[in-house]
Formats: sequence, C-alpha cells, structure tokens
Amino acid sequence: GDSVTQMEGPVTLSEEAFLTINCTYTATGYPSLFWYVQYPGEGLQLLLKATKADDKGSNKGFEATYRKETTSFHLEKGSVQVSDSAVYFCALAPPGGSYIPTFGRGTSLIVHP
Amino acid sequence: NAGVTQTPKFQVLKTGQSMTLQCAQDMNHNSMYWYRQDPGMGLRLIYYSASEGTTDKGEVPNGYNVSRLNKREFSLRLESAAPSQTSVYFCATSGGGRPTDTQYFGPGTRLTVL
Repeated sequence: GDSVTQMEGPVTLSEEAFLTINCTYTATGYPSLFWYVQYPGEGLQLLLKATKADDKGSNKGFEATYRKETTSFHLEKGSVQVSDSAVYFCALAPPGGSYIPTFGRGTSLIVHP
Repeated sequence: NAGVTQTPKFQVLKTGQSMTLQCAQDMNHNSMYWYRQDPGMGLRLIYYSASEGTTDKGEVPNGYNVSRLNKREFSLRLESAAPSQTSVYFCATSGGGRPTDTQYFGPGTRLTVL
C-alpha cells in the first residue's frame, strides 16, 4: 500500500539557518503530494502541494519539488524563523480510488533565537 | 466563515463512559474525516464520509461509530471509552472527488480516558 516516510525529529536549528526535512513515498502511479504544518495547539493546515512530477510547490518561503525519479518531496527553507517552530507532515493522495491521503508521522522543528 | 469547528475542545472520561464528538463545516465540502493523533504515530484515519449518506472505515475504526447527519455535520461516538482511546481527535473536510484536494482541519478535541 501507499506509505510516506519522513525524517525523525526533532530538528533543532538556530534562526536564519537553512532547513531541509526529507520525505520519501511509496505509491502506485502519480500521487498528489502535500506538506501540512501544525502549530502548537492547533489543527493541521496546508503549507504547499504539488500535483505532478517536477512541479514545485511554494509558500511562506518554503519550497518542495515533486521528484518522481527519487520518489521524494523534500521540504526546504533558506532562512528559518522562530515562528516556523511547528510539526511538519508530508502526505500523499493517490491518483485513483477514494483519494484519501496517507500522512507521514510528522517532523518537529524547533527554531532557537 | 468558521471553517471546521469541533466540540468539545477538551474532555475527560472514565473508562466505560460514552461520548460524542461533534464536527461541523461551513465550506460546502462533500467529504469529511475523523483522525486521531498520538505521539510518534502521526495521523491515523478512523472513519470517513465521502459524501452525505455514506460512511466507511479507515485504518483504526474499532471502538468508534460515526454519523453523517447532513452535509455539514459528522459526529464520532465512543460507546464505551477505554484508556487506549486517549488521544487528540481531528475532524477534516475536503471538496471530495479529486486527489489534488486540500484537507481542512478543525482545532481538535483533546480526550483523556482514565
């Protein structure tokens, strides 16, 4: 079945550092790929998405590129802020069937001033 | 627009008690979902409703029942709560019918079963 694997956290960075959170997936065909973010005490919200190979999703300085050849969708940001501290979830939705997304286990990011 | 609302925000139950978690959306979405979130386990789907009048089991349905009351409301019921059901519960919605659909989440219900 479909699966999403994320790097384990927590990831701890200083403000203005470069961020990479790795995400790889297993799926049949060409799924849609998502990054969701969860701030403390809140529900998840969409950060960015990409729906076909080589697409780049971007939002709030975050980027991720849909790499079919490596089945990856790594999240990057050039300069993190304290306000980026949150849990980040990678997810995929299959191209057929019920379209219900499969989520990774989440990666906690802690940014220190 | 309120988006997706959940009640209650917090709840403490004793083992064996029952309760219903409520979810409502004003986004006119077709699909609704219930997830639970546990440390280190990510999100696990309990039940979903692809459209009004239909419900289906997800990954972890045991011990739960659901009702899609109308297009707006989707409730989750614990008939006899167990400590293993201590978790944070999230309701989510999506337009439905496309793999590119974004899911929109409520703020969550934090449930403790003693």
